[in-house]
Amino acid sequence: EVQLVESGGGLEQPGRSLRLSCTGSGFTFGDYAVSWVRQAPGKGLEWLGFIRIKRQGGTTEYAASVKGRFSISRDDSNSIAYLQMNSLKMEDTAVYYCTRDRGRECSQCYWGQGTLVTVSS
Amino acid sequence: DIQMTQSPSTLSASVGDRVTITCRASQSIGTWLAWYQQKPGKAPKLLIYKASDLETGVPSRFSGSGSGTEFTLTISSLQPDDFATYYCQQYDSFSWTFGQGTKVEIK
Repeated sequence: EVQLVESGGGLEQPGRSLRLSCTGSGFTFGDYAVSWVRQAPGKGLEWLGFIRIKRQGGTTEYAASVKGRFSISRDDSNSIAYLQMNSLKMEDTAVYYCTRDRGRECSQCYWGQGTLVTVSS
Repeated sequence: DIQMTQSPSTLSASVGDRVTITCRASQSIGTWLAWYQQKPGKAPKLLIYKASDLETGVPSRFSGSGSGTEFTLTISSLQPDDFATYYCQQYDSFSWTFGQGTKVEIK
């Protein structure tokens, strides 16, 4: 069974950094692309970014709203993807989800349960 | 970025009703569209991918159609478990974008 588990969320102050982890199990992690999505309280879904598999260069794409502040990386040997969030703002308060694809046909087939990040002084 | 517009934003319906939600893209996305269902406090769940392919395990009362810029999600006979918020998402080109959501409420 495909499982994705996010961790690393919590309370952080504005201007600080936080790194979220997404640990996969039940599949060969390195064979699939990973994306991150967030949802602010009471709001809709916002796609944040994507990392390709190593065979496709392991390159990344980002939403304009977080480009330059957020970065995604992966450690396939440990089946983990990371979302590094720098210069946190109060508006980054949200539940953060990682997702996995199933090739080109399905970009975000599988979702983790999410981890809550609260940015507040 | 491609803008995705869902309508309606809220829909009141009764059990057994046929329900249709529309999603329009600001430019052609072929059939690179997914539909998700989300219940309060839970992660979104994939229903439909590539505009019309039903995800394994999803009841057949859900169906998707469309291509280019106009898409629909249809629930043929609304069940109590279907009251939720539904999102469309394009994955034709980066940045991938979601619609604003359609909340299906009990009438």
